[in-house]
Amino acid sequence: NAGVTQTPKFQVLKTGQSMTLQCAQDMNHNSMYWYRQDPGMGLRLIYYSASEGTTDKGEVPNGYNVSRLNKREFSLRLESAAPSQTSVYFCASSDVFSGARGGNQPQHFGDGTRLSIL
Amino acid sequence: DAKTTQPNSMESNEEEPVHLPCNHSTISGTDYIHWYRQLPSQGPEYVIHGLTSNVNNRMASLAIAEDRKSSTLILHRATLRDAAVYYCILRDHSGTASKLTFGTGTRLQVTL
Repeated sequence: NAGVTQTPKFQVLKTGQSMTLQCAQDMNHNSMYWYRQDPGMGLRLIYYSASEGTTDKGEVPNGYNVSRLNKREFSLRLESAAPSQTSVYFCASSDVFSGARGGNQPQHFGDGTRLSIL
Repeated sequence: DAKTTQPNSMESNEEEPVHLPCNHSTISGTDYIHWYRQLPSQGPEYVIHGLTSNVNNRMASLAIAEDRKSSTLILHRATLRDAAVYYCILRDHSGTASKLTFGTGTRLQVTL
């Protein structure tokens, strides 16, 4: 039972390079999320996808793009990496995003991608 | 989401109960109280949630004040594996967007 799988687990980039972080969930969840976590801080929402075919900006979307490839997969792309994007990135999924059921649904997280940009 | 306030850190001895407090004085009637924890080098893990009544599950208990302005996560017998950062989060379920907003949480240290 894999849950939420993120690849890669570690990555080092040079400033200006691009890369895509992959996330897949096997729980048939409708909603998926991308967060970043900087040292000593809580998680901050980058983008989310309430359902297949929709994506929306979160708290810190600048410098990122996302693609909800299908119901299982939600990728995060850095087009031109900057040192300020050095962070740990977490993907999560949940059954329902909003409404009475949404507030009642836990999010399930992957183990993160540790990204360093030099 | 409404704001929550938690102590930065707490310590506990192994096999003793731990009470992790959370203040949420601006909670609205449609907010659920959720708790997550994050073990070192892992993603957050759902622990428990509740609305008005106290809740129990295999991991913990959640005690909610009658006025809902505060809550307490109770670990009945702390183990070394419970050492983590614990986040108290309010989630609106009124029909609008229901995102998780993480604060800095409480870092729980468990000692022998």
